[in-house]
Amino acid sequence: EPEVTQTPSHQVTQMGQEVILRCVPISNHLYFYWYRQILGQKVEFLVSFYNNEISEKSEIFDDQFSVERPDGSNFTLKIRSTKLEDSAMYFCASKLGLAGGQETQYFGPGTRLLVL
Amino acid sequence: RKEVEQDPGPFNVPEGATVAFNCTYSNSASQSFFWYRQDCRKEPKLLMSVYSSGNEDGRFTAQLNRASQYISLLIRDSKLSDSATYLCVVADHGGATNKLIFGTGTLLAVQP
Repeated sequence: EPEVTQTPSHQVTQMGQEVILRCVPISNHLYFYWYRQILGQKVEFLVSFYNNEISEKSEIFDDQFSVERPDGSNFTLKIRSTKLEDSAMYFCASKLGLAGGQETQYFGPGTRLLVL
Repeated sequence: RKEVEQDPGPFNVPEGATVAFNCTYSNSASQSFFWYRQDCRKEPKLLMSVYSSGNEDGRFTAQLNRASQYISLLIRDSKLSDSATYLCVVADHGGATNKLIFGTGTLLAVQP
């Protein structure tokens, strides 16, 4: 069964450093998402991406964040200058996108980011 | 009012018990509803979509009450493997890509 993959599974970084989180969505999917979950809190939407551009972003997704689809398979989230409060689990998700809003979003296993 | 609200639990039940989770949502225009399951430190996984007519999948039954903006999940004959956090999720059709709005989750612990 096709699945969303993410690398790395864990990332430890120093405050102020740049990190890039990588995702490979399911191959024929058209919509891509990043969510994050701070430990003990709910899953929160960050950004969605369709047709090679950002479709929607939350207030969390400020100028320190960017997303890119550099080739036909990868979807990346970059945090330019990490803060302590960026420590969280980051989930990538993708959706086929043919039938409007009812379709399932499939989540990757997540990258656990720890900012020291 | 929170967009999606759930009782955080924990619900501690013996094996074989029936347990029900409830959820309310604030946006009356919402159209798509889901229950996801999340194991500790893992990704959310779709358990079932929730339809207006109610739907059942084995031991799991989901109900939607649009008038009350209320969603429920019933688990019958609980198994140890059902222990997880159950996330009530609403798709936001107001945006371009139907982002998901998650509740905080309800923790279920099934005891032997």
